[in-house]
Amino acid sequence: QQPVQSPQAVILREGEDAVINCSSSKALYSVHWYRQKHGEAPVFLMILLKGGEQKGHEKISASFNEKKQQSSLYLTASQLSYSGTYFCGTEEDNTDKLIFGTGTRLQVFP
Amino acid sequence: DGGITQSPKYLFRKEGQNVTLSCEQNLNHDAMYWYRQDPGQGLRLIYYSQIVNDFQKGDIAEGYSVSREKKESFPLTVTSAQKNPTAFYLCASSNFDTTTEAFFGQGTRLTVV
Repeated sequence: QQPVQSPQAVILREGEDAVINCSSSKALYSVHWYRQKHGEAPVFLMILLKGGEQKGHEKISASFNEKKQQSSLYLTASQLSYSGTYFCGTEEDNTDKLIFGTGTRLQVFP
Repeated sequence: DGGITQSPKYLFRKEGQNVTLSCEQNLNHDAMYWYRQDPGQGLRLIYYSQIVNDFQKGDIAEGYSVSREKKESFPLTVTSAQKNPTAFYLCASSNFDTTTEAFFGQGTRLTVV
């Protein structure tokens, strides 16, 4: 069962903020976030582990609420380079497999 | 340079033929994964392997087969039993478990005509 991401698509002007959500029906051990440019391989952004931590680098940060089985990715003061499709990847408790969500397409315009 | 290599980048096959997609990594990673990407459906897990000579089915394993005879290699065979094989296929690897980042190959776009 793939985690569900919302929204499916976001359109922003440079400098605007966005939040992408990832929700699972299963208890999670970790959540990954990746960004993929069209026709390219997904690129790692960050991992959040069970424990409800929040992480961030530059203007991209994320939170993980293990009780709600949800994670959110926060993009602040968006730049043109943020455009792409964002995927969350989840590992359920007591499994070794990494399952990805359906993706959120983000477009940033000047 | 360390990395994960998929070949070929584009592949065309006639319907009814089996085809094998290559995935090689020199990162010394234990875990390897195969995903299928279709528009609007994200990345769906086909097979994964945590150690040599062992692998598990993902969510959409029907019509696919894999082998893991060497740590570096995890080839995927798309068989004639796969009803809709045209897709973008991505291979990934990571260190032992999923608490470290996964590295992806550049993908293989398979078109079956």
